Amino acid sequence: DTGVSQDPRHKITKRGQNVTFRCDPISEHNRLYWYRQTLGQGPEFLTYFQNEAQLEKSRLLSDRFSAERPKGSFSTLEIQRTEQGDSAMYLCASSTRPVPGTEAFFGQGTRLTVV
Amino acid sequence: DAKTTQPPSMDCAEGRAANLPCNHSTISGNEYVYWYRQIHSQGPQYIIHGLKNNETNEMASLIITEDRKSSTLILPHATLRDTAVYYCIVFKGGSEKLVFGKGTKLTVNP
Repeated sequence: DTGVSQDPRHKITKRGQNVTFRCDPISEHNRLYWYRQTLGQGPEFLTYFQNEAQLEKSRLLSDRFSAERPKGSFSTLEIQRTEQGDSAMYLCASSTRPVPGTEAFFGQGTRLTVV
Repeated sequence: DAKTTQPPSMDCAEGRAANLPCNHSTISGNEYVYWYRQIHSQGPQYIIHGLKNNETNEMASLIITEDRKSSTLILPHATLRDTAVYYCIVFKGGSEKLVFGKGTKLTVNP
C-alpha cells in the first residue's frame, strides 16, 4: 500500500496520560499536514510541515500538543496530559506541491478516546 | 478564505446522477473550489478541483457558475459506494490549510 499510513488506528487512554501518533506520508511527498475531526464536524487543520520545517500551526494546537517531522519523512503528533476534549479522529495528509493546484492525500486516521 | 454553504443531506437513487450544490458567494478571483468526500470511518478523499472552468475527471464533474458564486459536483451514475459526506472547500494560496465545513451527507439508495 503506497498511501498515507497512520499508526495506531485506535487508541484509548486515561485522562492525564501522554499519547503519540505516527504518520508515514506517501514517499517523496514533502508536505505533511495534521488535522483533527470531532464527531459530526469536518476536519480542522492543526499544523503543516514542508520537509522537516513546521511552517504553520493552528491556534487549536495548544501547548499540550507537539508535532515533529525530524527527517522530513514520517511525522509524530504527541498530546501531553490528555483531556476528554482531546477525543477525536486525528488525520494526517501529504502532498507534493502547495495544495492549490494539487490534492492532499489523507490517511485513515487515528481515533483517540480519552476516558 | 470564502465561506461555503451546503445542504446538510441529500438522497439519490442508485444509477442516477447525484448533483451536490455549493454556494460560495464571497469567493475571490484567486480562490479555487475543491471537493473532497469522506466515507464513514475513513480519511477524506480528493475528488476534483477547479478555478473558473468546468472540470471533469474519472470520478466526477465540477460545474462552476460564470460568476463563480456557486458550483455543483456531479456524480454521473451514483453507486452505493458513493454514500459519504461531501465537502466543498474554497481555498487560495498563501496558506496550506483546507477549511472543511460540515459538508453534505449523500445517501445513495438502492
